[in-house]
Amino acid sequence: GIQVEQSPPDLILQEGANSTLRCNFSDSVNNLQWFHQNPWGQLINLFYIPSGTKQNGRLSATTVATERYSLLYISSSQTTDSGVYFCAVQGYTGANSKLTFGKGITLSVRP
Amino acid sequence: DTGVSQNPRHKITKRGQNVTFRCDPISEHNRLYWYRQTLGQGPEFLTYFQNEAQLEKSRLLSDRFSAERPKGSFSTLEIQRTEQGDSAMYLCASSLGPAGSETQYFGPGTRLLVL
Repeated sequence: GIQVEQSPPDLILQEGANSTLRCNFSDSVNNLQWFHQNPWGQLINLFYIPSGTKQNGRLSATTVATERYSLLYISSSQTTDSGVYFCAVQGYTGANSKLTFGKGITLSVRP
Repeated sequence: DTGVSQNPRHKITKRGQNVTFRCDPISEHNRLYWYRQTLGQGPEFLTYFQNEAQLEKSRLLSDRFSAERPKGSFSTLEIQRTEQGDSAMYLCASSLGPAGSETQYFGPGTRLLVL
């Protein structure tokens, strides 16, 4: 099945800093989503971005489908940005509805 | 649009007992998914419904697990004869749109602890 790798596994930032989170995937995809998991376990949708670039406030994401990677940018980070960020993809082959998740990136933003 | 809801939010049980979780998807979403997440890992797919039909089951879903979506609305996930290895967060998601290219929305999860 499709493999998803996220890097770095852990990231510590000072409040106000910018960061880039990376997601590599092993095959063509027709769906890619970025999530933020809060301390209570809720997965919050950030972006649906199988290709192209999107922005939402301080967050933006870019997916280069032909090179099989996606980037999530966080600018002017805040302590509330802390948590785990997941990239998840749906492949074209086999069970094409399930999401395959990476292991996540744990972000800690210090005041 | 009230979002995906799950009940209970927490469940503690003794090994060997049966447990049942409920998921209410976003209204009119025709697809419903169950995932399981263990500590330090990303969620893993368990099973998927389109309306009332269960279209796919992961090999993670042993014979002790059963899921239903009887009227194409809410879904239940039952675990029989629970084992300590079943301790995890069980997440439900729903979606609407062409299969394989739609946004999935997740509920808050049910955290299961098997003693």
